[in-house]
Amino acid sequence: AQTVTQSQPEMSVQEAETVTLSCTYDTSESDYYLFWYKQPPSRQMILVIRQEAYKQQNATENRFSVNFQKAAKSFSLKISDSQLGDAAMYFCAFTQRGGGGADGLTFGKGTHLIIQP
Amino acid sequence: DAGITQSPRHKVTETGTPVTLRCHQTENHRYMYWYRQDPGHGLRLIHYSYGVKDTDKGEVSDGYSVSRSKTEDFLLTLESATSSQTSVYFCAIRGDRAGSPLHFGNGTRLTVT
Repeated sequence: AQTVTQSQPEMSVQEAETVTLSCTYDTSESDYYLFWYKQPPSRQMILVIRQEAYKQQNATENRFSVNFQKAAKSFSLKISDSQLGDAAMYFCAFTQRGGGGADGLTFGKGTHLIIQP
Repeated sequence: DAGITQSPRHKVTETGTPVTLRCHQTENHRYMYWYRQDPGHGLRLIHYSYGVKDTDKGEVSDGYSVSRSKTEDFLLTLESATSSQTSVYFCAIRGDRAGSPLHFGNGTRLTVT
């Protein structure tokens, strides 16, 4: 079974600074997908970024980028120029490619990101 | 935004009563999921469906059942609610393509007293 570990229950960063959220995972698969989701206080789950394991290039979405280290099974999220609206819970998630992924995503326990004005 | 609606948004019920949560989608997606979210645990998969009348158990399925009689509706039932089932429940859908992200409903906060 796959596991996803987010070792930082809470992180704090000054507005306009850069912060990196850590995520590691354990799998015997070689082909899979990784995701970061954001959950603001509204409770809505919002997709932030998606990474395909067979692509070496790190995914980016505006101020959000990942550092994907396949050999180390690490998938960290970097948020540049942090804004007050970035304050949220962030979840790392994994799904394997084989079998169509019918069993959904496996999530980490989340990191609570605080933005200091 | 993906067309996915959960009802009710909040519910308070007593221990031992049956509860049904509803998930409705307008995207015609084959895959649907029920997760529960608890502090310190992230999101954990309860049940999922890969088609009409095709369902399977997830990580934390004990005490829950599901039904999917139509593509658009996926029901989660707590046959006899317990306090340990107090949680926020999320429904999610995804497309058929491998690696498609999940799109979530807004969640149902269930309190069992």
